[in-house]
Amino acid sequence: DTAVSQTPKYLVTQMGNDKSIKCEQNLGHDTMYWYKQDSKKFLKIMFSYNNKELIINETVPNRFSPKSPDKAHLNLHINSLELGDSAVYFCASSQGGRGSEGYTFGSGTRLTVV
Amino acid sequence: DQQVKQNSPSLSVQEGRISILNCDYTNSMFDYFLWYKKYPAEGPTFLISISSIKDKNEDGRFTVFLNKSAKHLSLHIVPSQPGDSAVYFCAARLWTGNTPLVFGKGTRLSVIA
Repeated sequence: DTAVSQTPKYLVTQMGNDKSIKCEQNLGHDTMYWYKQDSKKFLKIMFSYNNKELIINETVPNRFSPKSPDKAHLNLHINSLELGDSAVYFCASSQGGRGSEGYTFGSGTRLTVV
Repeated sequence: DQQVKQNSPSLSVQEGRISILNCDYTNSMFDYFLWYKKYPAEGPTFLISISSIKDKNEDGRFTVFLNKSAKHLSLHIVPSQPGDSAVYFCAARLWTGNTPLVFGKGTRLSVIA
């Protein structure tokens, strides 16, 4: 029973398209995150939600819009996809925003924009 | 601005020997440090952590050492096993607010049988 599940696992799409990545956690955690791992391999925070409220929004183009319908779900919608958006996107969750017990990550979504 | 640095992109170690993975940080406001392990096509999984008030934390074959004055931490794996082959990420947390973890770019460990 997957704790943090992301769909789809792979996504290949053309420039200019709009796409969504879904994330669900069944751990009862109150905080969820989106991280991006680009070609340089850094895991960079994009967004953080606590109990459906946005608490962190790093410098991310406004083409990226997170949506949290409830505290178990955090989806990422991307408009007008660009080549530079190609990366692996990881969803994660934690209990409490400070993550003292560590984050639980999904298996990632590899997005390729062609 | 890399606040968490893992300067060795890869490391090869023979099975049974010690693996030492290093991590440096620049922000003295970090109060908690974590190591994550990642296999291909999977997400990172939490491995071990250490608070800034300690200098060592041990869990089975894994030990993390923290040298605050040098802003350096290391992960020791003894003895190394082929199943330990993975990418290891160092992460750090600021002491204030709900700031998310800051990650390094990882070190790929290969344990050779």
